[in-house]
Amino acid sequence: DTAVSQTPKYLVTQMGNDKSIKCEQNLGHDTMYWYKQDSKKFLKIMFSYNNKELIINETVPNRFSPKSPDKAHLNLHINSLELGDSAVYFCASSQDAAGAYEQYFGPGTRLTVT
Amino acid sequence: SQQGEEDPQALSIQEGENATMNCSYKTSINNLQWYRQNSGRGLVHLILIRSNEREKHSGRLRVTLDTSKKSSSLLITASRAADTASYFCATTPQGAQKLVFGQGTRLTINP
Repeated sequence: DTAVSQTPKYLVTQMGNDKSIKCEQNLGHDTMYWYKQDSKKFLKIMFSYNNKELIINETVPNRFSPKSPDKAHLNLHINSLELGDSAVYFCASSQDAAGAYEQYFGPGTRLTVT
Repeated sequence: SQQGEEDPQALSIQEGENATMNCSYKTSINNLQWYRQNSGRGLVHLILIRSNEREKHSGRLRVTLDTSKKSSSLLITASRAADTASYFCATTPQGAQKLVFGQGTRLTINP
């Protein structure tokens, strides 16, 4: 069984469009994350949710809006897509938000904005 | 801001040799973790070492942590072709509820 799953795996869209990425974890974890990995493989946290509550928002443009309907799901909606949004987006989960445990990553969503 | 710096950025060795990767960080930490990323895949957790630990082993992996030098190393012994991947260190800064990743080391094992 997949622990952390994301859909879609690939997303190609034009500038100005709105798109969503979905994430689900079946590990029973309390905390979920969104990361962005750029073309140089640098991985940076965007958001973190603990039990459906936003706890980290790393100065991400407000075109990005995360939503956590329950603690097993964390979705990412992006408005008015820009070329610079092209990247691989990873969802992850961990047992809690304290950073004391390992994180489990999804397979990633490769977003290409043309 | 980026917390970890990894060295080297790329490493190419022959199968069977040992591979050593280093990570330096800037602030006090609660723990340091190492992750592996195969091409086109998500990150996989390898090992976590807490700030009060100096060394940890897991199979062919050995991690050391020197908090006085703010550095860590990952040693992979008897490397295999399947070890070809990017390796990232990540720290949990004290007082922070997040992981901060280094830029990674690209390891290539040649058969």
